[in-house]
Amino acid sequence: EDQVTQSPEALRLQEGESSSLNCSYTVSGLRGLFWYRQDPGKGPEFLFTLYSAGEEKEKERLKATLTKKESFLHITAPKPEDSATYLCAVTPRDYKLSFGAGTTVTVRA
Amino acid sequence: DTGVSQNPRHKITKRGQNVTFRCDPISEHNRLYWYRQTLGQGPEFLTYFQNEAQLEKSRLLSDRFSAERPKGSFSTLEIQRTEQGDSAMYLCASSTQGLPNEQFFGPGTRLTVL
Repeated sequence: EDQVTQSPEALRLQEGESSSLNCSYTVSGLRGLFWYRQDPGKGPEFLFTLYSAGEEKEKERLKATLTKKESFLHITAPKPEDSATYLCAVTPRDYKLSFGAGTTVTVRA
Repeated sequence: DTGVSQNPRHKITKRGQNVTFRCDPISEHNRLYWYRQTLGQGPEFLTYFQNEAQLEKSRLLSDRFSAERPKGSFSTLEIQRTEQGDSAMYLCASSTQGLPNEQFFGPGTRLTVL
């Protein structure tokens, strides 16, 4: 069965303090790895899709990377509006996503 | 706004009652998914449709749960004889077919069973 483990569970950062979130996965034949952002009481918001090891994608202060066993979400010079729960998901097929429990990031001004 | 919409946003019900939720996907998306999320956890897959066909159901979807997508447009998720353990956020997502394409989520329906 697909397994996704995210660490740390929670991360408190000072504004401007860069850091990384980890997503370790076990899946039989990765077809895609997804990163989502979720604000309290809302649905997940799509950020990135990574398809193969070595791939990288960037969006504003966020950069996602992928290896054969894990993915990292790097947050560069975060701002308070980057505070959210970041979810990682994998799929060995092209429909069912298996999510991790998420990393809750709090950025203090 | 042409995103995924869900109604109602909140539902409070008593144990044993039936509830129904509705999801309207992005119009050009032929795939529609239902997930359930409890506090502190990531979403868990329940079921998905390609057009009007329900192609897979998770073992989490007990006999009390039924989902439909008539005419391949909106979808409904019904829970019969609700239990306190059904309290959760029910999320709907949609996507196009093909590559593992990104799924776009709606705002969710928060169910509280008293």
